[in-house]
Amino acid sequence: AQSVTQPDIHITVSEGASLELRCNYSYGATPYLFWYVQSPGQGLQLLLKYFSGDTLVQGIKGFEAEFKRSQSSFNLRKPSVHWSDAAEYFCAVGARSSGSARQLTFGSGTQLTVLP
Amino acid sequence: DTGVSQNPRHKITKRGQNVTFRCDPISEHNRLYWYRQTLGQGPEFLTYFQNEAQLEKSRLLSDRFSAERPKGSFSTLEIQRTEQGDSAMYLCASSSTRRDSSYEQYFGPGTRLTVT
Repeated sequence: AQSVTQPDIHITVSEGASLELRCNYSYGATPYLFWYVQSPGQGLQLLLKYFSGDTLVQGIKGFEAEFKRSQSSFNLRKPSVHWSDAAEYFCAVGARSSGSARQLTFGSGTQLTVLP
Repeated sequence: DTGVSQNPRHKITKRGQNVTFRCDPISEHNRLYWYRQTLGQGPEFLTYFQNEAQLEKSRLLSDRFSAERPKGSFSTLEIQRTEQGDSAMYLCASSSTRRDSSYEQYFGPGTRLTVT
């Protein structure tokens, strides 16, 4: 069974600073990988995904993530954080399996606070 | 594309009462998922439909929980004899069956259940 670890429960950065949120996964093969963002009281919005090919993927709102197979990681980055980026971020993994439910397994999330 | 919608957004109920939530997926999506999210955690998979067929259920889905998708469009999730431990955000997601896109799940805003 797959699992996801987000080691940082809470991260605080100043507006304009760079950001990196860590995600490590456990899965026997190359998984599908996702980052979602959740604002208070809201559902999850898909930021970006990795299926195959280029290991550096671009997403919405200026975010990018890099898949590193050797480290089983899929860290999320943004060069310059905006106050509106304050939210909770979830990394998720989907198993590559035909005929399966293809449900996602989520990490426990990283809460991002942005200081003015 | 109006997105995934869920009703009600909030539900407060007394222990022992039954509650029902509704999810309307994105219109062309025939895969539908229910997840549960408790405070400080990522969403956890509950169950999955492809069209009207319920194809997978998590061990989290006790006998008090039942889900339906009668015509392959909207879905309902019913909890009977609610317990305080059922208090959570219930999230619905949908995806298409197009190759690779079937892993992209789009989430609704959720129904927050409080059992008193």
